[in-house]
Amino acid sequence: GNSVTQMEGPVTLSEEAFLTINCTYTATGYPSLFWYVQYPGEGLQLLLKATKADDKGSNKGFEATYRKETTSFHLEKGSVQVSDSAVYFCAFGTSYGKLTFGQGTILTVHP
Amino acid sequence: ETGVTQTPRHLVMGMTNKKSLKCEQHLGHNAMYWYKQSAKKPLELMFVYSLEERVENNSVPSRFSPECPNSSHLFLHLHTLQPEDSALYLCASSQDRVSSSYNEQFFGPGTRLTVL
Repeated sequence: GNSVTQMEGPVTLSEEAFLTINCTYTATGYPSLFWYVQYPGEGLQLLLKATKADDKGSNKGFEATYRKETTSFHLEKGSVQVSDSAVYFCAFGTSYGKLTFGQGTILTVHP
Repeated sequence: ETGVTQTPRHLVMGMTNKKSLKCEQHLGHNAMYWYKQSAKKPLELMFVYSLEERVENNSVPSRFSPECPNSSHLFLHLHTLQPEDSALYLCASSQDRVSSSYNEQFFGPGTRLTVL
């Protein structure tokens, strides 16, 4: 069935370190791919998206590339900040607006 | 108000109580969703409404009863809940384009529910 597998957390980094959070998916067809972020005490916010193979989504210094051959959508950032501490969710969308989410990865960035 | 709002933000209830969660979207969207977020578990989609009709019910126990009176409002009526129902309940909305897999969902801040 459809599923999303994310790198297990928690991930703890120092400020300005490089971040990678792995995400792979199993789905039929060609879904759209998303990364959502949840800051403490808030709902989820869309961070970036890609709608077809080889698309690169980017926002706030974060990037992810839709890799159809490896069914992956890994999240990267070259230099993290303390304010990036949050929970990150990988997801894919199918017709009729349904999203399937990964389990989330907690990121903590220390000064 | 902008975006998606949820009330109350926090709710504590006993197992015999009846309460309701409210969600309102100010984005002109035509689809709304209820999710359950429990610790260490993926987000669980509970209900989907499109054009005010329920289009998905993911095997949710009948002690949860959704209501969508119009495209801007969504309720989740709760009765005789169990302690394991304690979680963050998130509401979301989207502009549902049937033929598209790209339907960005906008989330509210959630209601933190504790069942004693």
